[in-house]
Amino acid sequence: AQSVTQLDSHVSVSEGTPVLLRCNYSSSYSPSLFWYVQHPNKGLQLLLKYTSAATLVKGINGFEAEFKKSETSFHLTKPSAHMSDAAEYFCVVSDQGGGGNKLTFGTGTQLKVEL
Amino acid sequence: DAGITQSPRHKVTETGTPVTLRCHQTENHRYMYWYRQDPGHGLRLIHYSYGVKDTDKGEVSDGYSVSRSKTEDFLLTLESATSSQTSVYFCAKWTGVNTDTQYFGPGTRLTVL
Repeated sequence: AQSVTQLDSHVSVSEGTPVLLRCNYSSSYSPSLFWYVQHPNKGLQLLLKYTSAATLVKGINGFEAEFKKSETSFHLTKPSAHMSDAAEYFCVVSDQGGGGNKLTFGTGTQLKVEL
Repeated sequence: DAGITQSPRHKVTETGTPVTLRCHQTENHRYMYWYRQDPGHGLRLIHYSYGVKDTDKGEVSDGYSVSRSKTEDFLLTLESATSSQTSVYFCAKWTGVNTDTQYFGPGTRLTVL
């Protein structure tokens, strides 16, 4: 069975300061990991994904994440927050075992960016 | 545009009535999924399909059924809606092993009174 734990339900940062959203995962297989972003009243947009290639993954809008197998972590970072980054972020693990692509979502981290 | 649409986008209905939500993709991806999103739970898988007439249950399938008569359409039916099914419903498609990404539709906000 696979699971995802997002360690913070809410994170607040000032504009221009770094962002760190933490995610730990558990998976029986070699997992694929994703971060999705959801702006208010919008659908989910793929931010970045890890699929067993480079452990440091770069995504859209300056975000990146590092896969650390020893720590079972996939934390999302951005060097400098922008007001437009305010949204909910979901860490997701994919398990292709048994066929298909079943995603397990974390409960989300609400990012607030203040002036 | 992820090439996946949902209809209706908003719906208000009464307890006990049947409701059908539609998901449509413009390509021919084999796998499609229905999720529900509730505060504090992230998204949870209701049902998924791996081909025409091939479906399986997800984590929270009770009270829901699905059908897939064409590759491009995946329907979610609430046979008798209950207030606990008030939620935002998302459909998704999987682009396959090589790209290994699910793309989501815009969502349907369902309110059951």
